[in-house]
Amino acid sequence: AQTVTQSQPEMSVQEAETVTLSCTYDTSENNYYLFWYKQPPSRQMILVIRQEAYKQQNATENRFSVNFQKAAKSFSLKISDSQLGDTAMYFCAPGGGADGLTFGKGTHLIIQP
Amino acid sequence: DTGVSQDPRHKITKRGQNVTFRCDPISEHNRLYWYRQTLGQGPEFLTYFQNEAQLEKSRLLSDRFSAERPKGSFSTLEIQRTEQGDSAMYLCASSLVAGVEETQYFGPGTRLLVL
Repeated sequence: AQTVTQSQPEMSVQEAETVTLSCTYDTSENNYYLFWYKQPPSRQMILVIRQEAYKQQNATENRFSVNFQKAAKSFSLKISDSQLGDTAMYFCAPGGGADGLTFGKGTHLIIQP
Repeated sequence: DTGVSQDPRHKITKRGQNVTFRCDPISEHNRLYWYRQTLGQGPEFLTYFQNEAQLEKSRLLSDRFSAERPKGSFSTLEIQRTEQGDSAMYLCASSLVAGVEETQYFGPGTRLLVL
């Protein structure tokens, strides 16, 4: 079974600042992917970024990047130049298990104008 | 819009009634997942299909829940004799599995309220 811990229930930053959301996980899988999803209020779950666990290079996607530490089972998300539209719940989720994605409880990110 | 659609988007029902939800995945995707999300929590896995075969079911999925994916296309999730504890958002996701690589794309969800 996989477990996920997102230790920051809520974070608030000013527009244009950089913010890092933390995530630690545990898995018995050898080959897996890791994902960050974003869920704006009353809106659809959207994929933000994904990381292949067998790749050492950290994934980047425009203003979003990850810091993946496989040995420590840590997978944090950095958002640069934050925008008002980044306000949402962010979920970390390792995949590859027999029971789909395992989600953490999420971090509610608020971008203040 | 991810290309995954769900219907209805909202459902209010009385305790004891049966409800059925539909999910239409991205057309070429071979896997389809159902999750349940309660307020303030992340989604929890319920079940998934590889084409038309239901391969895994969570212990969360009581006997009152049944899911189908006839012909490996759309899927339905039925809840019989609904209880107030079934009130939640029901999310569907689909993916195209290629070896180890798999990325799930989510639909907008069906929000169920049981009175």
